[in-house]
Amino acid sequence: EIVMTQSPATLSVSPGEGATLSCRASQYIKNNLAWYQQKPGQAPRLLIYGASSTATNIAARFSGSESGTEFTLTINSLQSEDSAIYFCQQFHTWPFTFGGGTKVEVK
Amino acid sequence: QLQLQGSGPGLVKPSETLSLTCTVSGDSISGPDYYWAWIRQSPGRGLEWIGNIYYSGRTHYNPSLNSRVSTSVDTSKNTFSMRLTSVTAADTAVYYCVRGICSGYNCYDMLHFDYWGQGSLVTVSS
Repeated sequence: EIVMTQSPATLSVSPGEGATLSCRASQYIKNNLAWYQQKPGQAPRLLIYGASSTATNIAARFSGSESGTEFTLTINSLQSEDSAIYFCQQFHTWPFTFGGGTKVEVK
Repeated sequence: QLQLQGSGPGLVKPSETLSLTCTVSGDSISGPDYYWAWIRQSPGRGLEWIGNIYYSGRTHYNPSLNSRVSTSVDTSKNTFSMRLTSVTAADTAVYYCVRGICSGYNCYDMLHFDYWGQGSLVTVSS
């Protein structure tokens, strides 16, 4: 099973600042990675797929990149509504697995 | 607008079978570019993929649950379902029904999840 490790666990940022979230895969997964945003009481929402493609209706301040088995979600100019938990997920190999999440607080 | 609505009992007794159904509206469950999945989330286990099913009936399951889980699809009702047998307290979670994107013949490549249902809390307790 591929283990997805996210860091940091928690990130506190001020409005207007940027944030960089990391996700590391325990094995090569090509670019078969997605990022999701989850707000309290809601289901996860797709942000990024294929490591760097932005999903429909997702703000341009969200972007993804990859370098080997290291993946990054960058959020520019954070807004209060970006407070959420962010998860990465690999769909390269069965079983599909998720990272433990990074909680982003904008305050 | 695609909607996925999960339904099923919120409380299941230990050792019994958990059954959930997801009703898909706004698109056909038989679409060749989509597959259908169950994912659960709990504080202790985080997000856990349970299994996928394609409208043709092709399935993939998480090996950690493989012997206990089964899924089915009813194209006439535009629904898909999941059964998890011999449940324990560790199966207490929010269960999501989800749509996934696929590509290739017979959905050969199952890719990311693009739409999630609102989630159903299932508690296993006597």
